[in-house]
Formats: sequence, structure tokens, C-alpha cells
Amino acid sequence: GAGVSQSPSNKVTEKGKDVELRCDPISGHTALYWYRQSLGQGLEFLIYFQGNSAPDKSGLPSDRFSAERTGGSVSTLTIQRTQQEDSAVYLCASSTDRDGYGYTFGSGTRLTVV
Amino acid sequence: GQNIDQPTEMTATEGAIVQINCTYQTSGFNGLFWYQQHAGEAPTFLSYNVLDGLEEKGRFSSFLSRSKGYSYLLLKELQMKDSASYLCAVRDWLNDYKLSFGAGTTVTVRA
Repeated sequence: GAGVSQSPSNKVTEKGKDVELRCDPISGHTALYWYRQSLGQGLEFLIYFQGNSAPDKSGLPSDRFSAERTGGSVSTLTIQRTQQEDSAVYLCASSTDRDGYGYTFGSGTRLTVV
Repeated sequence: GQNIDQPTEMTATEGAIVQINCTYQTSGFNGLFWYQQHAGEAPTFLSYNVLDGLEEKGRFSSFLSRSKGYSYLLLKELQMKDSASYLCAVRDWLNDYKLSFGAGTTVTVRA
């Protein structure tokens, strides 16, 4: 598509439930990143996918978080047993290769855990 | 890792100039980026510096001093639509695919 698409744009969930966040990157972008943006905080790196390489999961805050990227395109970030501290805006970005220069962000998913 | 510091908030008048400073500490500097983010929207790319000096792009300019670990974003002839958060991000060659972001500076432009 023309831009990075994320869905849903807003998600309210009860504590303890699982959620799935979706990211559809720009066609042809091989690199895909997930970041988390909490109020008053900088963007926090979560996970990075590059082509068929093993993803860099070093930023995932706990084993409740996981992500996959199917067919080198769409990615899903899953949070299991959500906690209130998981409330944040989850941003996805894609770019060509590893340059980081051409990061294009999606508008994010605002997750609220009640 | 990187320590990236920028002011939390700045306020300026329409038509004026505002300078947003960013300081960083990184083990393998490989580029500094500025992004603009309006409330509820995606961050959008503004500028990129990897060499020392000033990069000018219309009303926006960005400066870098690698020896000082310092950058600034200069917004001239401020317009109401410039009210947004401005994010400083640093790329490290040790992790050259991940950008590390500052917390952002919220700029409010008043009439």
C-alpha cells in the first residue's frame, strides 16, 4: 500500500486478556519494526524483522509479548495476559533494508488495558 | 546504549523562531534524525544529519556537532500547524537498524 497501515487504531481490553495488533508495511520494504510509545517516554524498541533473517527480539519487555511476520509482509504483535502497564501506543515502521533512513511509521494502535 | 535528552516542552509565538536542542551519548554514532509527530498521528521524517554542520530544508534546519554529541532543530517563521512533538533519534553503527529516540519535545505555537 501507499503507507504503513495498522489496525485496530484503538483497542480497549480487560486485564488478563490477549490482544493482537496488526501491521501492514509498505510493499517492498524488507525491514519492519515495532516500537512502543508511552506517555512522556521516548519510543521504545520492541522487535525488528529483516527479510528472512531471524528477528531481533531484544526489546520485548517480557515473554508475554511475541510477534511474527508472515510471508515477509504483514506482522502481528501479540500480547498475552495483558497488564495495565502495557497501555501505550504501539507503532510499526517499515523501511528499505537496514538503512533506517527511510523509516515510515504507521499511525499506531492505542492500547488501553482496564 | 544511548542517552538522548531533549526539553519536554517549548512555547513560541507564530512567526517566531524556536530551537530544539538534543544531546546524546552513543558508542558508535551513525546518524541523527528528527521526526515530527502531531497528536494521534504517525511520526514523519524531517531531517537526517551524519556529518557536522547545518542542513537546511525550507523553514526547518538541523545542526549536528559529533564531537559535542549535540544537535538542534531550528524552526523558522513558525506557523500554527507546527504545533507538534519533535523527536530526536540516534542511530548507532553497532545497532544500525534500530533508532533510539528521545522522549520528544512538545512545541506549542501561539497566535
